Amino acid sequence: AQSVTQLDSQVPVFEEAPVELRCNYSSSVSVYLFWYVQYPNQGLQLLLKYLSGSTLVESINGFEAEFNKSQTSFHLRKPSVHISDTAEYFCAVSGRNTGTASKLTFGTGTRLQVTL
Amino acid sequence: DTGVSQNPRHKITKRGQNVTFRCDPISEHNRLYWYRQTLGQGPEFLTYFQNEAQLEKSRLLSDRFSAERPKGSFSTLEIQRTEQGDSAMYLCASSKDTVYGYTFGSGTRLTVV
Repeated sequence: AQSVTQLDSQVPVFEEAPVELRCNYSSSVSVYLFWYVQYPNQGLQLLLKYLSGSTLVESINGFEAEFNKSQTSFHLRKPSVHISDTAEYFCAVSGRNTGTASKLTFGTGTRLQVTL
Repeated sequence: DTGVSQNPRHKITKRGQNVTFRCDPISEHNRLYWYRQTLGQGPEFLTYFQNEAQLEKSRLLSDRFSAERPKGSFSTLEIQRTEQGDSAMYLCASSKDTVYGYTFGSGTRLTVV
């Protein structure tokens, strides 16, 4: 079984400031890791994912996340946020083996609030 | 590719009534998933289908819940004898073969009064 901890329920930040959203996971097997973003009254959109290879993964809109196996973390960062980044961000994990690779386990989410 | 479609977007029902939600996945996706999201929480896995076969069900899915995917196309999620605790957003997602490419629908928000 897997679990995900997002310690920060809310992160307020000024526009153009850097931000880090923390994610730690627990798993008895090797994992795939994901970050999803959810805008109000919408479904979840995949932001980025770590499957294998380079531990640093990037999204098209400036976010990046680094897989740290020793610290079981997958923190999300952006060097300069925009008002439009205001949303709920969810970290998710799935196991690599066939049986557990079918479902995602999500954290409780972090609300990123960007203000002027 | 029109994405994953869920209907209705909102449903208000009285306690004890039955409700049914529909999900139309991306046409070439053979896997379909149902998740439930309550306020302030992340989505929780309910069940998933590979083609028409229901391969896994969460313990969250009580006997009042049933899901089908006839002919491996659209899926329905039915809740019988709804309770106030069933109030949540019900999310459907689909993928092609693996979890790599999950696409979520916009969800159906259920309110039980």
